[in-house]
Amino acid sequence: EADIYQTPRYLVIGTGKKITLECSQTMGHDKMYWYQQDPGMELHLIHYSYGVNSTEKGDLSSESTVSRIRTEHFPLTLESARPSHTSQYLCASRRAAEGEQYFGPGTRLTVT
Amino acid sequence: ILNVEQSPQSLHVQEGDSTNFTCSFPSSNFYALHWYRWETAKSPEALFVMTLNGDEKKKGRISATLNTKEGYSYLYIKGSQPEDSATYLCAFNTGGFKTIFGAGTRLFVKA
Repeated sequence: EADIYQTPRYLVIGTGKKITLECSQTMGHDKMYWYQQDPGMELHLIHYSYGVNSTEKGDLSSESTVSRIRTEHFPLTLESARPSHTSQYLCASRRAAEGEQYFGPGTRLTVT
Repeated sequence: ILNVEQSPQSLHVQEGDSTNFTCSFPSSNFYALHWYRWETAKSPEALFVMTLNGDEKKKGRISATLNTKEGYSYLYIKGSQPEDSATYLCAFNTGGFKTIFGAGTRLFVKA
């Protein structure tokens, strides 16, 4: 079983609130990712990180931001949540560029 | 724009049926293809990583083939069981940092 964790699992929050989705892994992986997924749709990459102090935006434009101060921790922040941010957010990590990704359980976010 | 297509979108089979689904990906700049299984309320888990044209991988009743020249991979499940019910994701990697995912095939196995 993968050692990658996400909290919270479910979150219902009002418009305009600031939220942080947590992601941690204990495998020592340098590469970490955030994906967004709407029902029946592909996983879309919104952020990734090569390692500490390295973050990049993914293919899908997102109003969220990320940070990577420690190898094991890759939180995602929304400064002002909107209903359009309602989605599932999955965090993943991997050791090698071609290797499998290990996924967290996801956070299902609903913004009312 | 790199695109990964999976078909069918969903599939309903009876217990004991064998089934297969398709993943289509760009045939240029191929580096690796991944199959994941995603059960409801769980995290996606890797099934196979395939890198060579003609690769065939097997894990129990599940197997996969790869054709990089024409850009497709098949996933086969022999004798489907209710516990095989899940979404099966295909993901394409060009050797860079990013992986492109398909939308998945949702399999329902009825007992």
